Amino acid sequence: DGGITQSPKYLFRKEGQNVTLSCEQNLNHDAMYWYRQDPGQGLRLIYYSQIVNDFQKGDIAEGYSVSREKKESFPLTVTSAQKNPTAFYLCASSIDRMWTGGQNTEAFFGQGTRLTVV
Amino acid sequence: AQTVTQSQPEMSVQEAETVTLSCTYDTSESNYYLFWYKQPPSRQMILVIRQEAYKQQNATENRFSVNFQKAAKSFSLKISDSQLGDTAMYFCAYLQGAQKLVFGQGTRLTINP
Repeated sequence: DGGITQSPKYLFRKEGQNVTLSCEQNLNHDAMYWYRQDPGQGLRLIYYSQIVNDFQKGDIAEGYSVSREKKESFPLTVTSAQKNPTAFYLCASSIDRMWTGGQNTEAFFGQGTRLTVV
Repeated sequence: AQTVTQSQPEMSVQEAETVTLSCTYDTSESNYYLFWYKQPPSRQMILVIRQEAYKQQNATENRFSVNFQKAAKSFSLKISDSQLGDTAMYFCAYLQGAQKLVFGQGTRLTINP
């Protein structure tokens, strides 16, 4: 079955450590995104990538880094420079199928990773 | 830049009632897509309904329907015969071609028994 997978579901980080959150999709989607969600809040865009080997900063990129070496994968590294990393992180992917009349344009999410600093 | 606005932070209705969630957006594009996502306490983002901007007909999915007003840049979600399981955060989102997926701030909907 096609889908988007985030791992791990829960992650604990000691202060000063870098950690990497995994996001993999087998939907053949071109675009991938990372969002941060704090309790009771909306989604804030960290980074996004439209094609392999290219990505753009979102609204809150400081303290985070990404790579897009493969179409299927978009890992997010939370660096020690991120002062308040405890949050819920969501990965998404999308494709705009305008050439098919747009009928199959879609955007889906992974199940999320809860990161806690201990 | 595209923006999406949800002006209702919280809403509450009784079970079986109909409720409408509001969403407005700003864009200069003519072809784009709009989505409503549901986020229950599990925090999984679930696609509720999708609308293509070039279609005049409003999308429907069982008890969920939208009122898409392209000229007014409005995209509201109507939930009919609301159920306790509809309790969740609801997010409106915009997607266009190579642009980023943009979300509104969310509306917390509570269905009361």
